[in-house]
Amino acid sequence: GENVEQHPSTLSVQEGDSAVIKCTYSDSASNYFPWYKQELGKRPQLIIDIRSNVGEKKDQRIAVTLNKTAKHFSLHITETQPEDSAVYFCAARQNNFNKFYFGSGTKLNVKP
Amino acid sequence: DTAVSQTPKYLVTQMGNDKSIKCEQNLGHDTMYWYKQDSKKFLKIMFSYNNKELIINETVPNRFSPKSPDKAHLNLHINSLELGDSAVYFCASSQVTSGRRSYEQYFGPGTRLTVT
Repeated sequence: GENVEQHPSTLSVQEGDSAVIKCTYSDSASNYFPWYKQELGKRPQLIIDIRSNVGEKKDQRIAVTLNKTAKHFSLHITETQPEDSAVYFCAARQNNFNKFYFGSGTKLNVKP
Repeated sequence: DTAVSQTPKYLVTQMGNDKSIKCEQNLGHDTMYWYKQDSKKFLKIMFSYNNKELIINETVPNRFSPKSPDKAHLNLHINSLELGDSAVYFCASSQVTSGRRSYEQYFGPGTRLTVT
């Protein structure tokens, strides 16, 4: 099966700085990589995603990069704001079985 | 209007009881999922249904039984509840097999189950 590892588990940055969260996956058949933001007591919300045929995708202050050869993908948040504070999850969709495997989460704290 | 909804939002019950959680999506998606999020926030898939057919059944106790009466609904019934079942259960949906294959997965608000 697929195995998704996510680092770091906690990340503290100053407001305005950038934050980077990294994930690796094991199954080369995985073809879709979403990122979710989960605020305390809320549902995971999709914030950005990338398919395996794309190397980079950007949406305003957030971007995702994918290196298929190395089997890793990263979330980049620029100009962080206190409202970016949350737990972020990466995931990989295993194509053969349409299963999503989630990373263990990164708790991002943006200090004002 | 809510895309993926779950009821109840909170469920407090005693060990040994049987309970159900209901999920509905109005996105027209063909695939629905149940996830369990434990106290350490780890999200683990339990079941997946595609067009009312069970396609993923992870290693969960057979006390957990999903039921999909139609494409828009996926319920979860849990028998003989145990302390270790306490968690937040999320329903989710996505479009996979027909029409626009977006893969985007949308989550319900979650059901916080507490077994005492």
